[in-house]
Amino acid sequence: AQKVTQAQTEISVVEKEDVTLDCVYETRDTTYYLFWYKQPPSGELVFLIRRNSFDEQNEISGRYSWNFQKSTSSFNFTITASQVVDSAVYFCALSGGSYNTDKLIFGTGTRLQVFP
Amino acid sequence: DTAVSQTPKYLVTQMGNDKSIKCEQNLGHDTMYWYKQDSKKFLKIMFSYNNKELIINETVPNRFSPKSPDKAHLNLHINSLELGDSAVYFCASSQTSGINIQYFGAGTRLSVL
Repeated sequence: AQKVTQAQTEISVVEKEDVTLDCVYETRDTTYYLFWYKQPPSGELVFLIRRNSFDEQNEISGRYSWNFQKSTSSFNFTITASQVVDSAVYFCALSGGSYNTDKLIFGTGTRLQVFP
Repeated sequence: DTAVSQTPKYLVTQMGNDKSIKCEQNLGHDTMYWYKQDSKKFLKIMFSYNNKELIINETVPNRFSPKSPDKAHLNLHINSLELGDSAVYFCASSQTSGINIQYFGAGTRLSVL
């Protein structure tokens, strides 16, 4: 079975702090994809990143960075120098496997609040 | 232009009514999806269609029926609405079936009274 765990329900930080959102996944498949989506207070779901299981290189995009470690089945997301606009619910998701590769399995989300 | 658009954004209705939510994508994608987000923010897939053909049908009550008149549209019709159907429904699309990036609409908040 596939599963995504985001153990941090809510995180509060003050602007300019760095924050890491944890994501641990379970899958028996050797080929799979991991995703992060952002859901701001306005409610839409915004795609942030996709990573395949064969690419363990860390990725950086501006203040955002992702650390993928297959050894610990984790795909953590770090925001450097957080800003109030980063306040949102962040979802980690998993897709892949022998069947239903279209299906995104979401974690329960982490609500990030960034205070000025 | 919005890439994946859903209408309406808000839907308030009485128990027992029948309602539809429309979804259109202008990305030229082949695959479309419906997800449900409950009050605890948990997101779960309901259906996916690839070129108007049903690919995924999760354990969803028969009262929910997706309809895809063409590959740019995937509508969700719900019969005999129940209180437990209250949720935010998201439409999404991806280029093809398989492991592709799914782009989501803004969601439709359904409230059943």
